[in-house]
Amino acid sequence: DTAVSQTPKYLVTQMGNDKSIKCEQNLGHDTMYWYKQDSKKFLKIMFSYNNKELIINETVPNRFSPKSPDKAHLNLHINSLELGDSAVYFCASSQGGTGYTFGSGTRLTVV
Amino acid sequence: AQSVSQHNHHVILSEAASLELGCNYSYGGTVNLFWYVQYPGQHLQLLLKYFSGDPLVKGIKGFEAEFIKSKFSFNLRKPSVQWSDTAEYFCAVNSGAGSYQLTFGKGTKLSVIP
Repeated sequence: DTAVSQTPKYLVTQMGNDKSIKCEQNLGHDTMYWYKQDSKKFLKIMFSYNNKELIINETVPNRFSPKSPDKAHLNLHINSLELGDSAVYFCASSQGGTGYTFGSGTRLTVV
Repeated sequence: AQSVSQHNHHVILSEAASLELGCNYSYGGTVNLFWYVQYPGQHLQLLLKYFSGDPLVKGIKGFEAEFIKSKFSFNLRKPSVQWSDTAEYFCAVNSGAGSYQLTFGKGTKLSVIP
């Protein structure tokens, strides 16, 4: 009964490929997020969706496109992957910004 | 825009030593404050959070934090650390009710030596 689940857990791919990471939450939260954790462990928000609507879109290359088919899902699609995209990507959800639950992360390695 | 500073990049302690990790934020309005822990290779887990009320907050695993509004600080403390506390610790803030953006500090790595 994982609250926030991400797939895949590990992703190794070549430069130039397109890949997707999926996220689902079963907490009934109204807001979902994508965070990127770089090699120095710094966590930075990328996107946030509230009830399927984009509410935060930080300075992220256009190659990254989030998709929220419904309140419980927020997927991340990345086009033309670059070496610098290698990181751990965390999905999270919250209800009104008062409590955040994180997924277990997707470690993306671009070679 | 809000920001969070964690002053210690890496803290090394012996077991049973006391811990205090510093966290300062910059935002003039109402804030919600959080401490998260990330064990090696794992995801973020909430240690404790402060929204309002008693500025001394108790969390899981014996951790506590004190919100000092005049100093814009929310330091994390534990009286006696264990080897199993070895992890990365993140302070985070969002700007109160209706805010969704959680801003993290750069983290403090804690290494506890048996």
